[in-house]
Parts: sequence; structure tokens; C-alpha cells
Amino acid sequence: DADVTQTPRNRITKTGKRIMLECSQTKGHDRMYWYRQDPGLGLRLIYYSFDVKDINKGEISDGYSVSRQAQAKFSLSLESAIPNQTALYFCATSGRLASSASNTGELFFGEGSRLTVL
Amino acid sequence: AQTVTQSQPEMSVQEAETVTLSCTYDTSESDYYLFWYKQPPSRQMILVIRQEAYKQQNATENRFSVNFQKAAKSFSLKISDSQLGDAAMYFCAYRILYNNNDMRFGAGTRLTVKP
Repeated sequence: DADVTQTPRNRITKTGKRIMLECSQTKGHDRMYWYRQDPGLGLRLIYYSFDVKDINKGEISDGYSVSRQAQAKFSLSLESAIPNQTALYFCATSGRLASSASNTGELFFGEGSRLTVL
Repeated sequence: AQTVTQSQPEMSVQEAETVTLSCTYDTSESDYYLFWYKQPPSRQMILVIRQEAYKQQNATENRFSVNFQKAAKSFSLKISDSQLGDAAMYFCAYRILYNNNDMRFGAGTRLTVKP
């Protein structure tokens, strides 16, 4: 089983609908992130969380909200989806940097959720 | 803010040949990580190689190596003996050690490997 699991993997919805993308991890990491990938733009940070009580906006948070239900779960919501939110969404996790000699600093990604808003 | 630039949207290489993908970044930090991620058609993000900024020695992972030029803020990826399975989108990424630990990505380079 994957260490970082995203559901759904693919979703087609209509403008104005509420959508939730879910992410769960078994890596025991504190830090979780949601990124959005668009062609020609790479990945951009939407929200991030360092623990259950710590939620922070990223570069492109408008139109999105998140919930950290537990250390292992971090969900992304689109309250009223619009077509320009059509994208590939990634959840990622990492350990704490600069606190462990064994920490590689990398992000561990889920398999992505492709969302199409018609 | 940190930015990462990949100036080659697409690259092509003949199987068994060598190809270099370019990446530059902008930062005022002295401690950070640099990464190359591979994204095949399966869309999974796969770590190819990483480099800590304080290390002068260039990282190497089998056929993959980097040319890290800290003063020039350059971090290129060299793929030797290219294989058909190397065909993918490659993303250069930068991550600061402190504050939000955000990872910033370039726009990506699509690599095609010709048989």
C-alpha cells in the first residue's frame, strides 16, 4: 500500500459543486501539504499544516479550504468549484527539517487527484 | 520569494546518449535543499536526486548526476546512458530549511527519449 494515499484519483464535477479531496499517510510525518499542478506552471502550494492545530495558507489559497482531522489526515475542499480549478492536485508529507540528521528533506507525494470542473 | 526557473520546456535525447536539463533558482538563503523529481505518465512524483546546499560535492545516483554551482544558483541534471524509461516530465525544486519549509518548483522539462 502507498505511504500517502489520495482519494479520489479522478473526479469530474460541475461548476458550483462542493468537492473534497482526501489525503491520508502512514509515514508518521507531522507536515502535510497540498499542491496544485498546472501545465507550464509546475506545482504551486495551496495550504500546508505542521500539526493538527496549525494550518497555513500557501501561494494560491483563494477558493480552497483545508482540514487536518488527525496527524495522518489532511483534506482539501473546494466550496464552489469553478472551471479554472481544473488541475492535478497533490498531497505531500515530510518530516521536520533541521531536526534530524537522517531527514532527507524530500517531500513524499501521493499519486495525485485529477479534478475536472465543467 | 524563492523562484525556480527551468528554461527548457522540452528536451529530446537519443537512447544511450547523455542529456543535461537546466535549472536556476533565486534565493537569499544560505541553507537549503535542491531536488530533481521525475513525473512519468503515471503522474507519480518520484525523487531522482537531492543536494544539500552546504555540500560542495555534486550528488550522484547511478546514471543521474548534478552540477551544483551555488554562487551561480544553478542546479543542472545530467542523465547518462539515457533509457526509454527516462522519458518523463522533470521538475527542479528548491526547499528552505526553516520557516514554512515550502518547496518551490520549476515549470518542468518534458524529456523525450528516442529509440
